[in-house]
Amino acid sequence: DSGVTQTPKHLITATGQRVTLRCSPRSGDLSVYWYQQSLDQGLQFLIQYYNGEERAKGNILERFSAQQFPDLHSELNLSSLELGDSALYFCASSARNGGAGPHEQFFGPGTRLTVL
Amino acid sequence: AQKITQTQPGMFVQEKEAVTLDCTYDTSDPSYGLFWYKQPSSGEMIFLIYQGSYDQQNATEGRYSLNFQKARKSANLVISASQLGDSAMYFCAMREGEGNTPLVFGKGTRLSVIA
Repeated sequence: DSGVTQTPKHLITATGQRVTLRCSPRSGDLSVYWYQQSLDQGLQFLIQYYNGEERAKGNILERFSAQQFPDLHSELNLSSLELGDSALYFCASSARNGGAGPHEQFFGPGTRLTVL
Repeated sequence: AQKITQTQPGMFVQEKEAVTLDCTYDTSDPSYGLFWYKQPSSGEMIFLIYQGSYDQQNATEGRYSLNFQKARKSANLVISASQLGDSAMYFCAMREGEGNTPLVFGKGTRLSVIA
């Protein structure tokens, strides 16, 4: 168990709908990352938050948005869903901010989104 | 250009044998970190081992070791004494710069351990 929790584990919805994925980082971790894993694109970084502020943006579509709340949990909002959005969405967290060292990211179990 | 390249889509290894999973990377940043993750069929991503660009020695964690060849920009994962439970997808990833920066992943290698 990595200590990162994600809900829901599975989500099935229709095209055009909107969903919210939730992530709670490991206790004390300030950084949260969202990744998407799909068969054709592999594992891709979407967005990172650090202590409530957006820190880095990757291949995140304009239809997607995220935020990190004062209690450090994060939500990823996906709207106007398309069939191609079907994927496994991971949240990861890491502890330290700057300086040298591993800064390893610990992944949650993922949310499997199926868009029909 | 691909920042992380894993050239072996699939590998087979006999139980109790050692296996090497290849990873090459591309970066111009002198400070970077290399990671290996394991993804079993259940889907979770499990952190295995880390190698920093300034680390003088190859990283080791139990049965996992990292063969780091900086000049060749390679960071191969060596699993010794393979077990059936090692059957999984293995991903090589890189963090560029220092601090908490996003990971870039390779496409992965599916390892199958045969009894």
